[in-house]
Amino acid sequence: QSVLTQPPSASGSPGQSVTISCTGLSFDVGAYDYVSWYQQLPGKAPKLLIYDVTKRPSGVPDRFSGSKSDNTASLTVSGLHYDDEADYYCASHRGVNTFGVIFGGGTKLTVL
Amino acid sequence: QVQLQQWGAGLLKPSETLSLTCTVYGGSFKNYYWSWLRQPPGKGLDWIGDVTHRGRANYNPSLQSRVAISVDPSKNQFSLKLQSVTAADTAVYYCATFDNINYYFDLWGQGTLVTVSS
Repeated sequence: QSVLTQPPSASGSPGQSVTISCTGLSFDVGAYDYVSWYQQLPGKAPKLLIYDVTKRPSGVPDRFSGSKSDNTASLTVSGLHYDDEADYYCASHRGVNTFGVIFGGGTKLTVL
Repeated sequence: QVQLQQWGAGLLKPSETLSLTCTVYGGSFKNYYWSWLRQPPGKGLDWIGDVTHRGRANYNPSLQSRVAISVDPSKNQFSLKLQSVTAADTAVYYCATFDNINYYFDLWGQGTLVTVSS
């Protein structure tokens, strides 16, 4: 059972934008700006897309953007490409007075 | 550019000990925390634990009684041991670099499928 809540699926057509939500609690997602997002292509290891809620590592296209409001973080993929079809996972600091990382259950993004 | 390469036994019987090792290439072993994560088939990711280059480790509370993560800086390696495995420990296991300031995993190993079956 995942600690952070993500929708199991999302979809969009090429060129459209899709937003994936990630809901936690006031003492994890709501307490810190330590939300990260990962893309996992079939059979591959996850790849870091977003860290610190909004920051992109070098090499990640600016079509990927992150935000947060209260206990919910979001990943927006703009200008969908067919090769954006993958599983997307959010993660957060485990919570106040604890250590470690918790993940969402993942969202399967389908590009129609 | 840091790269991680991991290996270990892929098939275990219940009650045996899982053992995996990850070698770090192309970077200073002192610059990161080193983590292990796992992903059961068809499911999401779980953080197992992490370790510093000095060997100080943190573990997921749900696994703390069975897990140990160690480092060998002389070989640029860190290792995972998980005792008393059951079928529920069947998963792809990943090693990764961990930024302990902002809590994210930036570089990942290729993954190792570990199956527990009698």
